[in-house]
Amino acid sequence: DTEVTQTPKHLVMGMTNKKSLKCEQHMGHRAMYWYKQKAKKPPELMFVYSYEKLSINESVPSRFSPECPNSSLLNLHLHALQPEDSALYLCASSQDPDGNYGYTFGSGTRLTVV
Amino acid sequence: GEDVEQSLFLSVREGDSSVINCTYTDSSSTYLYWYKQEPGAGLQLLTYIFSNMDMKQDQRLTVLLNKKDKHLSLRIADTQTGDSAIYFCAEREAGGYQKVTFGTGTKLQVIP
Repeated sequence: DTEVTQTPKHLVMGMTNKKSLKCEQHMGHRAMYWYKQKAKKPPELMFVYSYEKLSINESVPSRFSPECPNSSLLNLHLHALQPEDSALYLCASSQDPDGNYGYTFGSGTRLTVV
Repeated sequence: GEDVEQSLFLSVREGDSSVINCTYTDSSSTYLYWYKQEPGAGLQLLTYIFSNMDMKQDQRLTVLLNKKDKHLSLRIADTQTGDSAIYFCAEREAGGYQKVTFGTGTKLQVIP
Protein backbone atom coordinates (compact mmCIF):
# COMPACT_ATOMS: atom_id res chain seq x y z
CA ASP A 1 0.00 0.00 0.00
CA THR A 2 1.66 3.21 -1.18
CA GLU A 3 -1.21 5.62 -0.69
CA VAL A 4 -2.51 8.22 1.66
CA THR A 5 -6.31 7.90 1.86
CA GLN A 6 -8.47 10.86 2.84
CA THR A 7 -12.17 10.79 3.66
CA PRO A 8 -14.56 12.27 2.84
CA LYS A 9 -13.63 13.57 -0.61
CA HIS A 10 -16.17 16.37 -0.37
CA LEU A 11 -17.79 17.97 2.69
CA VAL A 12 -20.33 20.75 3.02
CA MET A 13 -20.91 22.01 6.54
CA GLY A 14 -22.68 24.85 8.26
CA MET A 15 -20.92 27.30 10.52
CA THR A 16 -22.40 25.68 13.64
CA ASN A 17 -21.57 22.09 12.66
CA LYS A 18 -18.87 19.80 14.01
CA LYS A 19 -17.21 17.49 11.53
CA SER A 20 -13.97 15.54 11.16
CA LEU A 21 -11.60 14.87 8.29
CA LYS A 22 -9.76 11.57 8.28
CA CYS A 23 -6.42 10.54 6.84
CA GLU A 24 -4.89 7.07 6.80
CA GLN A 25 -1.59 5.58 5.60
CA HIS A 26 -0.17 2.09 5.97
CA MET A 27 3.33 2.74 4.66
CA GLY A 28 4.91 2.94 8.12
CA HIS A 29 5.60 6.64 7.64
CA ARG A 30 6.52 8.38 10.90
CA ALA A 31 5.44 11.93 10.15
CA MET A 32 2.05 13.17 9.00
CA TYR A 33 0.95 16.62 7.92
CA TRP A 34 -2.14 18.73 7.34
CA TYR A 35 -2.05 21.36 4.59
CA LYS A 36 -4.70 23.84 3.47
CA GLN A 37 -4.89 24.86 -0.19
CA LYS A 38 -7.05 27.69 -1.47
CA ALA A 39 -7.94 27.86 -5.15
CA LYS A 40 -5.01 28.71 -7.43
CA LYS A 41 -2.63 28.95 -4.44
CA PRO A 42 0.14 26.72 -3.09
CA PRO A 43 -0.51 24.48 -0.09
CA GLU A 44 0.03 26.09 3.32
CA LEU A 45 1.23 24.06 6.28
CA MET A 46 -1.16 23.73 9.23
CA PHE A 47 0.14 20.94 11.49
CA VAL A 48 2.93 18.38 11.67
CA TYR A 49 2.86 15.17 13.71
CA SER A 50 6.11 13.32 14.24
CA TYR A 51 6.02 9.92 15.95
CA GLU A 52 2.37 10.61 16.79
CA LYS A 53 3.19 13.80 18.68
CA LEU A 54 2.28 17.31 17.52
CA SER A 55 5.55 18.98 16.57
CA ILE A 56 4.37 22.02 14.60
CA ASN A 57 1.23 24.16 14.80
CA GLU A 58 1.47 27.01 12.31
CA SER A 59 -0.65 29.37 14.43
CA VAL A 60 -3.83 27.70 13.23
CA PRO A 61 -7.10 28.93 14.82
CA SER A 62 -8.49 26.68 17.55
CA ARG A 63 -11.57 25.89 15.48
CA PHE A 64 -9.22 23.38 13.78
CA SER A 65 -8.15 20.59 16.15
CA PRO A 66 -5.78 17.84 14.99
CA GLU A 67 -5.55 14.39 16.48
CA CYS A 68 -3.21 11.46 15.82
CA PRO A 69 -4.74 8.35 17.46
CA ASN A 70 -1.98 6.05 16.15
CA SER A 71 0.86 5.94 13.66
CA SER A 72 -1.47 5.26 10.72
CA LEU A 73 -4.28 7.74 11.37
CA LEU A 74 -4.56 11.51 11.41
CA ASN A 75 -7.78 13.40 12.05
CA LEU A 76 -8.71 17.05 11.75
CA HIS A 77 -11.69 18.06 13.87
CA LEU A 78 -13.64 21.07 12.66
CA HIS A 79 -15.94 23.26 14.74
CA ALA A 80 -17.52 26.66 14.16
CA LEU A 81 -15.78 27.25 10.87
CA GLN A 82 -16.11 30.36 8.75
CA PRO A 83 -16.86 30.57 5.02
CA GLU A 84 -13.25 31.66 4.41
CA ASP A 85 -12.14 28.24 5.71
CA SER A 86 -13.53 26.69 2.54
CA ALA A 87 -10.55 25.07 0.79
CA LEU A 88 -8.94 21.78 -0.21
CA TYR A 89 -7.47 20.12 2.88
CA LEU A 90 -4.55 17.88 2.08
CA CYS A 91 -2.98 15.23 4.28
CA ALA A 92 0.56 14.05 3.63
CA SER A 93 3.04 11.66 5.16
CA SER A 94 6.79 11.14 5.00
CA GLN A 95 8.92 8.10 5.61
CA ASP A 96 11.54 9.98 7.58
CA PRO A 97 10.34 12.19 10.42
CA ASP A 98 12.00 15.30 8.95
CA GLY A 99 10.43 14.84 5.52
CA ASN A 100 13.76 15.27 3.75
CA TYR A 101 12.90 12.97 0.85
CA GLY A 102 9.51 14.46 0.09
CA TYR A 103 5.92 13.79 0.99
CA THR A 104 3.20 11.43 -0.17
CA PHE A 105 -0.04 13.39 -0.43
CA GLY A 106 -3.63 12.23 -0.30
CA SER A 107 -6.12 13.48 -2.87
CA GLY A 108 -7.66 15.86 -0.35
CA THR A 109 -11.02 16.77 1.13
CA ARG A 110 -12.76 19.67 -0.58
CA LEU A 111 -14.50 21.55 2.22
CA THR A 112 -17.25 24.10 1.70
CA VAL A 113 -18.50 26.08 4.69
CA VAL A 114 -21.92 27.64 4.21
CA GLY B 1 9.49 34.44 5.53
CA GLU B 2 10.84 32.61 2.53
CA ASP B 3 9.53 33.38 -0.94
CA VAL B 4 9.48 30.83 -3.71
CA GLU B 5 8.48 32.32 -7.05
CA GLN B 6 7.42 30.69 -10.30
CA SER B 7 5.99 31.96 -13.54
CA LEU B 8 2.23 31.40 -13.69
CA PHE B 9 1.80 29.72 -17.03
CA LEU B 10 3.70 27.77 -19.69
CA SER B 11 2.36 26.44 -22.98
CA VAL B 12 4.27 23.91 -25.11
CA ARG B 13 3.52 21.64 -28.04
CA GLU B 14 3.37 17.90 -27.56
CA GLY B 15 6.78 16.37 -28.17
CA ASP B 16 8.71 19.52 -27.30
CA SER B 17 10.69 20.04 -24.11
CA SER B 18 9.23 22.06 -21.23
CA VAL B 19 11.33 24.07 -18.80
CA ILE B 20 9.70 25.27 -15.60
CA ASN B 21 11.67 27.75 -13.51
CA CYS B 22 11.70 28.58 -9.83
CA THR B 23 13.57 31.12 -7.72
CA TYR B 24 13.90 30.96 -3.96
CA THR B 25 15.34 33.23 -1.32
CA ASP B 26 16.53 30.96 1.51
CA SER B 27 20.21 30.27 0.87
CA SER B 28 20.24 27.65 3.64
CA SER B 29 17.72 25.40 1.90
CA THR B 30 18.77 21.78 2.20
CA TYR B 31 16.41 19.97 -0.15
CA LEU B 32 14.39 21.24 -3.09
CA TYR B 33 11.47 19.44 -4.67
CA TRP B 34 9.20 19.35 -7.67
CA TYR B 35 5.56 18.30 -7.26
CA LYS B 36 2.82 17.85 -9.87
CA GLN B 37 -0.86 18.55 -9.17
CA GLU B 38 -3.58 17.49 -11.59
CA PRO B 39 -7.06 19.04 -11.36
CA GLY B 40 -8.98 17.98 -8.25
CA ALA B 41 -6.08 15.89 -6.96
CA GLY B 42 -3.37 16.02 -4.34
CA LEU B 43 0.28 16.71 -5.05
CA GLN B 44 2.54 14.03 -6.50
CA LEU B 45 6.25 14.11 -5.70
CA LEU B 46 8.19 14.03 -8.98
CA THR B 47 11.74 14.39 -7.77
CA TYR B 48 13.98 16.10 -5.25
CA ILE B 49 17.54 17.37 -5.21
CA PHE B 50 19.92 17.89 -2.34
CA SER B 51 21.46 21.33 -2.16
CA ASN B 52 25.03 20.10 -2.77
CA MET B 53 24.04 18.75 -6.21
CA ASP B 54 23.90 20.69 -9.48
CA MET B 55 21.84 18.31 -11.54
CA LYS B 56 19.65 15.25 -11.20
CA GLN B 57 18.15 13.23 -14.04
CA ASP B 58 15.27 10.79 -13.75
CA GLN B 59 13.91 9.41 -17.04
CA ARG B 60 12.26 12.38 -18.85
CA LEU B 61 12.91 14.77 -15.95
CA THR B 62 16.06 16.83 -15.45
CA VAL B 63 16.48 19.11 -12.45
CA LEU B 64 19.10 21.86 -12.50
CA LEU B 65 20.10 23.76 -9.37
CA ASN B 66 22.09 26.99 -9.37
CA LYS B 67 22.73 27.75 -5.71
CA LYS B 68 24.56 30.98 -6.43
CA ASP B 69 21.52 32.45 -8.19
CA LYS B 70 19.00 30.50 -6.03
CA HIS B 71 17.44 29.15 -9.20
CA LEU B 72 15.88 25.72 -9.72
CA SER B 73 14.50 24.38 -12.99
CA LEU B 74 12.62 21.30 -14.14
CA ARG B 75 13.02 20.14 -17.73
CA ILE B 76 10.49 17.66 -19.10
CA ALA B 77 11.67 15.98 -22.30
CA ASP B 78 9.19 14.87 -24.97
CA THR B 79 6.26 16.55 -23.20
CA GLN B 80 2.98 14.63 -23.42
CA THR B 81 -0.64 15.76 -22.95
CA GLY B 82 -0.66 13.80 -19.69
CA ASP B 83 1.97 16.22 -18.38
CA SER B 84 -0.60 19.03 -18.34
CA ALA B 85 -0.89 20.03 -14.68
CA ILE B 86 0.28 22.59 -12.14
CA TYR B 87 3.90 22.16 -11.09
CA PHE B 88 5.10 23.36 -7.69
CA CYS B 89 8.69 23.71 -6.63
CA ALA B 90 9.32 23.60 -2.89
CA GLU B 91 12.22 24.18 -0.53
CA ARG B 92 12.96 22.72 2.84
CA GLU B 93 14.42 24.96 5.49
CA ALA B 94 17.65 23.96 7.21
CA GLY B 95 17.94 23.36 10.94
CA GLY B 96 15.67 20.41 11.55
CA TYR B 97 12.50 22.44 11.24
CA GLN B 98 10.05 20.30 9.33
CA LYS B 99 8.70 23.10 7.20
CA VAL B 100 8.54 22.99 3.44
CA THR B 101 7.59 26.17 1.56
CA PHE B 102 5.84 25.72 -1.76
CA GLY B 103 6.22 27.98 -4.76
CA THR B 104 3.36 29.79 -6.40
CA GLY B 105 2.89 27.06 -9.02
CA THR B 106 3.23 26.97 -12.83
CA LYS B 107 0.35 25.74 -14.95
CA LEU B 108 1.71 23.71 -17.86
CA GLN B 109 -0.54 23.40 -20.89
CA VAL B 110 0.46 20.86 -23.53
CA ILE B 111 -1.01 21.48 -26.97
CA PRO B 112 -1.57 18.34 -29.07
